[in-house]
Amino acid sequence: DAGVTQSPTHLIKTRGQQVTLRCSPKSGHDTVSWYQQALGQGPQFIFQYYEEEERQRGNFPDRFSGHQFPNYSSELNVNALLLGDSALYLCASSGSGILPGNTIYFGEGSWLTVV
Amino acid sequence: AQKITQTQPGMFVQEKEAVTLDCTYDTSDQSYGLFWYKQPSSGEMIFLIYQGSYDEQNATEGRYSLNFQKARKSANLVISASQLGDSAMYFCALSGKVTFGTGTKLQVIP
Repeated sequence: DAGVTQSPTHLIKTRGQQVTLRCSPKSGHDTVSWYQQALGQGPQFIFQYYEEEERQRGNFPDRFSGHQFPNYSSELNVNALLLGDSALYLCASSGSGILPGNTIYFGEGSWLTVV
Repeated sequence: AQKITQTQPGMFVQEKEAVTLDCTYDTSDQSYGLFWYKQPSSGEMIFLIYQGSYDEQNATEGRYSLNFQKARKSANLVISASQLGDSAMYFCALSGKVTFGTGTKLQVIP
């Protein structure tokens, strides 16, 4: 049973560029969330997708956008990259929306460095 | 707004001893869940244990147990019989928008 998979694992971008990160949820899960984790900090919630719609959003600018596909996989897009966007981007999946009891499983993350 | 507070930036524990990692939370939700995750230096967040707000008993998963005190809004993680492989960052998280604390770095000493 494959867990949450993310790609790429590491990437380097230049300021002003755009990046797309990809995530496949754990088998049987239909809800995907994205988090940004800066060095030495806890993960910060970016947004959550369920039934191909953004259901919840954290305090991130519109430069951060996403998409969920019919097979439940998801993409995170960041436009006009800033140095401060350098972080570990974590994807997490869970079953059936945002019920409190749904355990959230994480992928290994995508390390983004903006230079 | 939700908030998680972890007041211990770092902890040391002797191998085979037990250790308690503190977590307090604040939420206006009536039904909620609390999670603990372990994050090794590789970056992956590993699920350890879950406690629902209406669960009557404290959660346990192997060497992990959760000391849940709802009235005090605390959900401390207890790791028994610490092992060298337990050295990692530990995060407490609250369901909903899944709010994380700042984490506790645990180091197990041989």
